[in-house]
Amino acid sequence: NAGVTQTPKFQVLKTGQSMTLQCAQDMNHEYMSWYRQDPGMGLRLIHYSVGAGITDQGEVPNGYNVSRSTTEDFPLRLLSAAPSQTSVYFCASSPDSSGNTIYFGEGSWLTVV
Amino acid sequence: GENVEQHPSTLSVQEGDSAVIKCTYSDSASNYFPWYKQELGKRPQLIIDIRSNVGEKKDQRIAVTLNKTAKHFSLHITETQPEDSAVYFCAVEAAGNKLTFGGGTRVLVKP
Repeated sequence: NAGVTQTPKFQVLKTGQSMTLQCAQDMNHEYMSWYRQDPGMGLRLIHYSVGAGITDQGEVPNGYNVSRSTTEDFPLRLLSAAPSQTSVYFCASSPDSSGNTIYFGEGSWLTVV
Repeated sequence: GENVEQHPSTLSVQEGDSAVIKCTYSDSASNYFPWYKQELGKRPQLIIDIRSNVGEKKDQRIAVTLNKTAKHFSLHITETQPEDSAVYFCAVEAAGNKLTFGGGTRVLVKP
């Protein structure tokens, strides 16, 4: 049981490039989400999904796309990277009902130059 | 949307003393209040949580209290140890497992 797995761990992008952060969980969790954490700040919700085929926007969705074709995978796509998207990205999952423990992946450090 | 404020932003305590961090929130419908500890370069780790039907919860040296009327909750760490040094985040869950995080408190425990 690996939990929540994110790849890559580190990435440097040039402005305008696109890329996908991968996230997979093996706990059969219905709920998955992506957060970003800027230096010295708390986590902010980008997008989330309550089940396969269903996604919705969080607090800071602009510049990002997501899809949820399977229960296990929830990739985050940066469409045209900007320096403002330099951040640490955390994927998370939890069982479907409210008030359950949320499990975070180890994080992906992204730098846009 | 939900607004969560966390204070203080930094907290320095002597080993063995207590540390208290407070968070206030805006949405009275919020019903789940977790606390996370984050060490440098690591993922947030859940240390304790409380639900809206409970006023206080304790786990060894850590306790959380919730005042739903006043819309605030607090983390209490007693007998602090150097390994308690980290950044602590409160969070508030509204509908649909959407967590809103506070800005964090950097705790330094001096030996």
